Amino acid sequence: GNSVTQMEGPVTLSEEAFLTINCTYTATGYPSLFWYVQYPGEGLQLLLKATKADDKGSNKGFEATYRKETTSFHLEKGSVQVSDSAVYFCALSDQYNQGGKLIFGQGTELSVKP
Amino acid sequence: SQTIHQWPATLVQPVGSPLSLECTVEGTSNPNLYWYRQAAGRGLQLLFYSVGIGQISSEVPQNLSASRPQDRQFILSSKKLLLSDSGFYLCAWGPESGLGYTFGSGTRLTVV
Repeated sequence: GNSVTQMEGPVTLSEEAFLTINCTYTATGYPSLFWYVQYPGEGLQLLLKATKADDKGSNKGFEATYRKETTSFHLEKGSVQVSDSAVYFCALSDQYNQGGKLIFGQGTELSVKP
Repeated sequence: SQTIHQWPATLVQPVGSPLSLECTVEGTSNPNLYWYRQAAGRGLQLLFYSVGIGQISSEVPQNLSASRPQDRQFILSSKKLLLSDSGFYLCAWGPESGLGYTFGSGTRLTVV
């Protein structure tokens, strides 16, 4: 079945550092890929998404490119801020398999220090 | 615009007590609805999903059940809570195209 694997956390960075959170997936079909963010004590918010190969999703300075050849969707940001501290989830959804359910990676906790 | 409401925000229940968490969606019809659980320090596990009234699919065997009595209402229940039921419960809805999901603010359940 479909699955998502993220790099383990926690990731601790200094403010203005470059961020990469790795995400790879396994899917039998042609999934859409997502990054969700969960701030402390809150629910999930969609950060960005990409629906087909080579698409780049971007939002709030974060970017991720759908790489079919490497089955990856790594999250990047050029300069992180303290306010970016949160848990980040990579996820996929395959409309034509598994009922379009959203399948998550295990989450990566990011802590940004001033 | 579409919104999703989930309540209560926090809940502390004794072992063996019943549970009822409610989720409602506004601004859309016939949504796919989902219940997820996030145990402390862990990822998100899909518990149930529903593609229509009275239609419930269970993803993992457990002590919980779900019901969808109305198109935009999704309820998570238990007759007798276990300590292992503690966690953060999230309701979500997805449009029929299956692209993108909106999450509720979650219910933090502590079973004591």
